[in-house]
Amino acid sequence: RKEVEQDPGPFNVPEGATVAFNCTYSNSASQSFFWYRQDCRKEPKLLMSVYSSGNEDGRFTAQLNRASQYISLLIRDSKLSDSATYLCVVNIGSNDYKLSFGAGTTVTVRA
Amino acid sequence: DTEVTQTPKHLVMGMTNKKSLKCEQHMGHRAMYWYKQKAKKPPELMFVYSYEKLSINESVPSRFSPECPNSSLLNLHLHALQPEDSALYLCASSHAQGDGYTFGSGTRLTVV
Repeated sequence: RKEVEQDPGPFNVPEGATVAFNCTYSNSASQSFFWYRQDCRKEPKLLMSVYSSGNEDGRFTAQLNRASQYISLLIRDSKLSDSATYLCVVNIGSNDYKLSFGAGTTVTVRA
Repeated sequence: DTEVTQTPKHLVMGMTNKKSLKCEQHMGHRAMYWYKQKAKKPPELMFVYSYEKLSINESVPSRFSPECPNSSLLNLHLHALQPEDSALYLCASSHAQGDGYTFGSGTRLTVV
């Protein structure tokens, strides 16, 4: 089983739509969770950390479900500029320096 | 300064060449990382430096040699690479354990 698994998509949605996707992780000892965004041929950029209580940043909402070992990202009111690959990132067990990346979920927002 | 700066942005090298990739950050981060990313794949961890000491080597071949001269700089020395080593090499840093990384824009390496 992979350490971090994501639905690769692609999710193809119209502007203004809501899109949501999940990421599962295998190590129950993981403590740090992040969503990164990566545009084509660019570096990954931190979108948001994911906290136990869930957190929101503008149109983006992240949730953590420890019991089922998954995190989610929801994007409301999608913009064309939201088109990107979204990478789920989780620390491996007790070593917080070692982050494992999911393969990414591709989102395309169309006009 | 909230950036991680990598040089060069592009590099083409022959299999007998020796080259170095450089990474610099002035955010006071004490952990620095090298990642390798192939097209349409997620980044793969290569090395982790914590407080200027190598703390993780993910069984990377010896033709890749990391160096951390000080808390702001991280180098990756390359020697006798293979064409399959062509990839985007990303440097990242973080303030502490559990923090998200800040990535540099990467060096796109082509081995011919």
